Amino acid sequence: AQTVTQSQPEMSVQEAETVTLSCTYDTSESDYYLFWYKQPPSRQMILVIRQEAYKQQNATENRFSVNFQKAAKSFSLKISDSQLGDAAMYFCAYRSGNTGTASKLTFGTGTRLQVTL
Amino acid sequence: DTGVSQDPRHKITKRGQNVTFRCDPISEHNRLYWYRQTLGQGPEFLTYFQNEAQLEKSRLLSDRFSAERPKGSFSTLEIQRTEQGDSAMYLCASSLNQIQETQYFGPGTRLLVL
Repeated sequence: AQTVTQSQPEMSVQEAETVTLSCTYDTSESDYYLFWYKQPPSRQMILVIRQEAYKQQNATENRFSVNFQKAAKSFSLKISDSQLGDAAMYFCAYRSGNTGTASKLTFGTGTRLQVTL
Repeated sequence: DTGVSQDPRHKITKRGQNVTFRCDPISEHNRLYWYRQTLGQGPEFLTYFQNEAQLEKSRLLSDRFSAERPKGSFSTLEIQRTEQGDSAMYLCASSLNQIQETQYFGPGTRLLVL
């Protein structure tokens, strides 16, 4: 079974600074997808960024980028120029690329990001 | 695109009562997922539908839980004889039937069992 580990329960960053959230995962599969989701307080979960395992290039979405290290099974999220609106719970998630199985997401326990002035 | 909606947003019930939650997916999405999220944890997979067929159920889904998706549109999740341990946020997500699918989440239903 696949597992996702987020070892940082809480992180804090000053506005306009850069922060990196860590995620490691365990799988025996070669085809899979990785995601970072953001869950603001009392609001719904939204997708921040996704990475296909077969792609060597790290995904980037505006101020958000990932450092995908397939051999190390590491998938960290970098947030540049942090804004107050980035404060939220961030979840790393894994999905198998095996089309014969359900496309369920396996989540980590989350990292709570605080953004200070 | 109105997004995934869930009803009710909050539910307080007494132990032993039955509750039913509803999820309306994004209209063209034929995959629908239910997850459960307890305080301080990430969501955990409960069950999955492709159109009206329930294709996978987690062992977390005890026989007190039942989910349906009639006609492949909205879905309901019913919990019978609720227990205090059922208190959690129940999340619904939907996606297209594509290899590179992205799941879009609803706001969730927060259940409190007294």
